[in-house]
Amino acid sequence: EVQLVESGGGLIQPGGSLRLSCAASEFTGRNNYMSWVRQAPGKGLEWVSIIYSGGTTYYADSVKGRFTISRDTSKNTVYLQLNSLRAEDTAVYYCARDRRDDYGDYHGMDVWGQGTTVTVSS
Amino acid sequence: DFQMTQSPSTLSASVGDRVTITCRASQSVSAWLAWYQQKPGKAPKLLIYKASSLESGVPSRFSGSGSGTEFTLTISSLQPDDFATYYCQLYDSYSGTFGQGTKVEIK
Repeated sequence: EVQLVESGGGLIQPGGSLRLSCAASEFTGRNNYMSWVRQAPGKGLEWVSIIYSGGTTYYADSVKGRFTISRDTSKNTVYLQLNSLRAEDTAVYYCARDRRDDYGDYHGMDVWGQGTTVTVSS
Repeated sequence: DFQMTQSPSTLSASVGDRVTITCRASQSVSAWLAWYQQKPGKAPKLLIYKASSLESGVPSRFSGSGSGTEFTLTISSLQPDDFATYYCQLYDSYSGTFGQGTKVEIK
C-alpha cells in the first residue's frame, strides 16, 4: 500500500518561503495525480494544488502565483514551493493521492500523508 | 468557479440514528464528488467517490447519492466511531472544492 510522508513545515516570517516535500513509498499505475490540501487551525479543508502524471498543474486562486507544485519521479517525491507567505497560509498541509480510473475519472483522494504544519508569523 | 454549500454545519445525533448530510453545488456538476471523514488531529479518510461508490473497507452503513446540484451522504445507523467531521469535495478537472464540513456530535 502506498504511504505518503510530508516534511518541510515550520515557523516562517511573513513574506518568506518554504518548500514542502511529500515522499511516496511508490508511484504505481499510469495515473499518478498528486494534490496538496491544507487546513487552517480550527477550519475546514482547502484544496491547494494538483499535479497530473504528465506534469500539468492547477492551483487554488488563493495561492496562484505564490505556490508551485512539482514532482521528481526518480525520487517518488512531490514538492510544494511556498513563496510570499502570509499569515493566512498558516495551516497543516497534507499531500494526497488522487485516484483515477483508466478513463481519467476522479475517484477521490484515497491516500493521505500525516500532514506538515506551516506557521507564518513574525 | 462553482461553490459547494454543505449542510448542516453541526449535527447532534445518537447512536443508532439515521444521519443525512447534504452538499449543494452552485451549478450543475459532474458526478466527481467524494465524501471524507476526519477525526481531530488526523488526515481525512475517503468514504465515497463518484457520488455513490463505497470505498473499499468502508462500512456499508455509509452511502452516497445525488447528481446535478445536490448530493447526500447518509449514515444508516450511527455508530460511536462515526462521531467526526464530514466533508464533501467536488473535482472539476481544474480544482477540487471542499464543502465547509459537518461536525457530527453526540446528542
